Amino acid sequence: GQQVMQIPQYQHVQEGEDFTTYCNSSTTLSNIQWYKQRPGGHPVFLIQLVKSGEVKKQKRLTFQFGEAKKNSSLHITATQTTDVGTYFCAGRAPQTGTASKLTFGTGTRLQVTL
Amino acid sequence: KAGVTQTPRYLIKTRGQQVTLSCSPISGHRSVSWYQQTPGQGLQFLFEYFSETQRNKGNFPGRFSGRQFSNSRSEMNVSTLELGDSALYLCASSLDGRVYEQYFGPGTRLTVT
Repeated sequence: GQQVMQIPQYQHVQEGEDFTTYCNSSTTLSNIQWYKQRPGGHPVFLIQLVKSGEVKKQKRLTFQFGEAKKNSSLHITATQTTDVGTYFCAGRAPQTGTASKLTFGTGTRLQVTL
Repeated sequence: KAGVTQTPRYLIKTRGQQVTLSCSPISGHRSVSWYQQTPGQGLQFLFEYFSETQRNKGNFPGRFSGRQFSNSRSEMNVSTLELGDSALYLCASSLDGRVYEQYFGPGTRLTVT
C-alpha cells in the first residue's frame, strides 16, 4: 500500500534558526496537504498543494510539491517558539475508480528553544 | 461555524469491553474520517464515511467498525477491547473528503486497562 515517510522524525533548533521537513511518498500523489499538531492538540490544516512543482508561502512557511508529485517539503524561516509541534504531510493517490484514502506521513516533531 | 466535536473526551475501559465514540462534523460537511493516533504508530487511518456509506477502510481488524447517520454525525465502535487499543481517536470532517482539507476534532482519549 501507499506509504508516506517524513524526515527527520525530530528536530531541535534554537529560536531564529531555519527548519525543513521532507515528505516522501512511495506512489504519485494527486495532492498533498500539510497539518500542524501542537502538543496536546489535534492536527490543524495548513495548506494544500496540487500542481507539480508548486510552491506556496505563508509568512515564514514555504511549501513545495515535487515535480514528480511524490515528494514535498516544508521550510520554516527564523523559527519561533510558537512553531513548536509536529508537522504532518498527508497525500492522496490519484483516484482509480474508487475513492483513495488520505495517507498521513510519519510526522516531524519540532522543538524550539530560546 | 462550530467546529468538529467528539464525545466523550476521555474514556477508561477494561479489556474485553466495547466502546462507542461519537463525532459531530462541521455543518455542511458530508465526509467523516476516523484516525487512531499512538506515539509509536502516528496517525493511522481507520475509515471514511460519506453520505452514510463507508467509502474507504484502513487496515484494522473487524473489531473496529463505524457508521454515519443521515445528519452526517458518525460513530465508531470497538468491540472486545485490547490493551493495544489505548490511543487518541481523532475524527475529521471535510466537505467531500476527496479534494478539500480535513478539520479535526479534539479527539477521544481511550485508555484500556
